[in-house]
Amino acid sequence: AQSVTQLDSHVSVSEGTPVLLRCNYSSSYSPSLFWYVQHPNKGLQLLLKYTSAATLVKGINGFEAEFKKSETSFHLTKPSAHMSDAAEYFCVVSPLSGGYNKLIFGAGTRLAVHP
Amino acid sequence: NAGVTQTPKFQVLKTGQSMTLQCAQDMNHEYMSWYRQDPGMGLRLIHYSVGAGITDQGEVPNGYNVSRSTTEDFPLRLLSAAPSQTSVYFCASSPGTGQWNYEQYFGPGTRLTVT
Repeated sequence: AQSVTQLDSHVSVSEGTPVLLRCNYSSSYSPSLFWYVQHPNKGLQLLLKYTSAATLVKGINGFEAEFKKSETSFHLTKPSAHMSDAAEYFCVVSPLSGGYNKLIFGAGTRLAVHP
Repeated sequence: NAGVTQTPKFQVLKTGQSMTLQCAQDMNHEYMSWYRQDPGMGLRLIHYSVGAGITDQGEVPNGYNVSRSTTEDFPLRLLSAAPSQTSVYFCASSPGTGQWNYEQYFGPGTRLTVT
């Protein structure tokens, strides 16, 4: 069975400092992995995705994530936080097993950015 | 393109009432799905469709019906609303199931309260 664990429910950083949002996954198959961001009262927007090409994936707004199979991790990072990064972030797994791509969501990490 | 649209944005129902949440997409995507978002639980799949006339159950289908008569529309029906269905509902669509097509596009959400 597939599952996703986001290790922190809340992360707080100062503007200009690095961001690290942690995600571990469990999948019987070689998965696709995603990070989505949700700003307050908005829908979800794709930040980046991993689909078995490069293990270091670059996304929008300066975010990137590294797929580490040995650690079953897909942590999201950004070198320097901006106030506009304050949002909720979801790590998502979808097994590459054919058929409909059922997405399995983590519980989310709420990122706060302080001046 | 408008992308994925949902109506209404907000709705209050009384226990036992029925209603339909509307979802439409103008991207000619084959795949559409409905999720509910509850605090601390990420998004959970309710129902999905892989094309007009084809639907299937997701993780939490009880109390909901769907149909897909056209490619564009995928309404979600609450048969007899219960307080446990108080949630934010998101509709999503994606272009296919190929390895490079796993991105889903989300609507802005419908916030439903059942009293």
